[in-house]
Amino acid sequence: AQSVAQPEDQVNVAEGNPLTVKCTYSVSGNPYLFWYVQYPNRGLQFLLKYITGDNLVKGSYGFEAEFNKSQTSFHLKKPSALVSDSALYFCAVRDWGSGNTPLVFGKGTRLSVIA
Amino acid sequence: DAGITQSPRYKITETGRQVTLMCHQTWSHSYMFWYRQDLGHGLRLIYYSAAADITDKGEVPDGYVVSRSKTENFPLTLESATRSQTSVYFCASRARQGVTNEKLFFGSGTQLSVL
Repeated sequence: AQSVAQPEDQVNVAEGNPLTVKCTYSVSGNPYLFWYVQYPNRGLQFLLKYITGDNLVKGSYGFEAEFNKSQTSFHLKKPSALVSDSALYFCAVRDWGSGNTPLVFGKGTRLSVIA
Repeated sequence: DAGITQSPRYKITETGRQVTLMCHQTWSHSYMFWYRQDLGHGLRLIYYSAAADITDKGEVPDGYVVSRSKTENFPLTLESATRSQTSVYFCASRARQGVTNEKLFFGSGTQLSVL
């Protein structure tokens, strides 16, 4: 079985400060890992993904995420937060040895960037 | 581009009534998905489809029915709506399996209230 945990329901950060949104995962094989963002009254939008290769993945809007296999983590980061980054962030995982099974999403973390 | 569209945007219905949520995508994506989003639960998969006439249950399929007679459409029907089905419903699609295609595109959602 595959699962994702986002341990923080809410993250608050001051504008200009670095931000981290945490994610840990569990799969039986090797993971495909994703981050999606949801702005108010909108559907989710793809931010970035890790399939294989470099552990540091760069995505949209200046976000990046670091894959750590030993800690089974895939934390989302940004060096300098903007007020416009305030949104709901979802981590998702799929075991790439499991065929066509769909993504499993975490419960989401609400990021608030304060001016 | 039209992308993926859901209708209606908002729906209010009564317990016991049948209601159908529509989803249409213009990319000819093979895979389509229905998720529901609830506070404290994040996104949960209801049903998905790998191609026309192929559907599979997700995590929470009870009380829902899907069909996929055409690649571009994936309607979700609540046969006899219950209050527990009050939620925001998201449709998503992606291209055929392949690492470079591993990316979901989401509709804007349908907010359903069952009274």
